[in-house]
Amino acid sequence: EPEVTQTPSHQVTQMGQEVILRCVPISNHLYFYWYRQILGQKVEFLVSFYNNEISEKSEIFDDQFSVERPDGSNFTLKIRSTKLEDSAMYFCASSEQAAGYTFGSGTRLTVV
Amino acid sequence: SQQGEEDPQALSIQEGENATMNCSYKTSINNLQWYRQNSGRGLVHLILIRSNEREKHSGRLRVTLDTSKKSSSLLITASRAADTASYFCATGNQGGKLIFGQGTELSVKP
Repeated sequence: EPEVTQTPSHQVTQMGQEVILRCVPISNHLYFYWYRQILGQKVEFLVSFYNNEISEKSEIFDDQFSVERPDGSNFTLKIRSTKLEDSAMYFCASSEQAAGYTFGSGTRLTVV
Repeated sequence: SQQGEEDPQALSIQEGENATMNCSYKTSINNLQWYRQNSGRGLVHLILIRSNEREKHSGRLRVTLDTSKKSSSLLITASRAADTASYFCATGNQGGKLIFGQGTELSVKP
């Protein structure tokens, strides 16, 4: 069964550093998303991406965040200057239509 | 405003029993989805029900949607120890954005 692949599975970074979280969505999917889940809290929407542009973003997705689809297969989330409160599990997801996602297994980001 | 709030927050049952989880939401939706998450792992899509549907089945799962009450329920029949996980409802808009609830922690004792 097709999968959404996320790398790395765990990233530790120092406060103020830039991180790039990588995702390989399912190949024929057109919609791409990033979500995050702070430990013990609910899953929160960050951004959706369709047709090579952001289609919707949340208040969390401020200027420190950016997304890119640099080639036909990867979808990345960059956090420019990480803060302690960015520590969370980050999930990438993709869908063929705007419903019925496949989520990746997540990247656990720890900011120290 | 909160959206997709589940109850109960935690549910503990014996293997073989049925588990029912409820979800309420506040705004209009395009669809409602249920996901499962094992501890520290990714989200697994279980079932999607569109706003014009009232009931859907998938194996041992049965989902209902009442748009007049803005509520949904997930029933897992004949539960197994392997069903132990957190279950989340999520409401979807036309653009695909999902808003998740806090989840129900289900524990199925063998």
